[in-house]
Amino acid sequence: IQMTQSPSSLSASVGDRVTITCRASQSITRYLNWYQQRPGKAPKLLIYTASSLQSGVPSRFSGSGSGTDFTLTISSLQPEDFATYYCQQSYSSPHTFGQGTRLEIK
Amino acid sequence: LQLQESGPGLVKPSETLSLTCTVSGDSIISNSYYWGWIRQPPGKGLEWIGHMYHSGSTYDNPSLKSRVTISVDTSRNQLSLRVSSVTAADTAVYFCVRVYSSPGAFDIWGQGTMVAVSS
Repeated sequence: IQMTQSPSSLSASVGDRVTITCRASQSITRYLNWYQQRPGKAPKLLIYTASSLQSGVPSRFSGSGSGTDFTLTISSLQPEDFATYYCQQSYSSPHTFGQGTRLEIK
Repeated sequence: LQLQESGPGLVKPSETLSLTCTVSGDSIISNSYYWGWIRQPPGKGLEWIGHMYHSGSTYDNPSLKSRVTISVDTSRNQLSLRVSSVTAADTAVYFCVRVYSSPGAFDIWGQGTMVAVSS
């Protein structure tokens, strides 16, 4: 299953609302997870099964979608949110990731 | 809970890459969790390598064409990865991960270890 994220990069300002989209090449029901990766660090799980917030993740992060189309929304960007975001499907093996969306400071 | 990868940072082409992940703060025989590996070539995205349950059930990425062996040592609370016949394309940061089995999400990550394949 191929995962395609859009946009590949995005410039935004602190306080902005941002949405990142992930599309699967076939239905994955709700088996979609989102990760944040800061430079030089390991990825961190933000959202699992499309909309469940991982423990300890701020509530400004939210996820939605089902089937083939999913979104990650950050309601009010904070300085620490500038990072690369990846979606990942866990519906079937091989588990695959999107190519990533780099979120930069405008 | 911490995951710590260890192993050589440089491997010669055609040889076997071997890494170990030591799990602390949890038992590798915990229910509901698998344990696995993900890699990231320099400047690129994430690639799932595979994961396994302590009982032996294993899932791996067919793109690696059977070069991968993942194993668990429950007595040492460790996870291992072997990738045979390596080429420059196997140069990457390798992450050890805990897999929350039902959603299949990678909820805990090691810091990663860089492995370069070069003569």
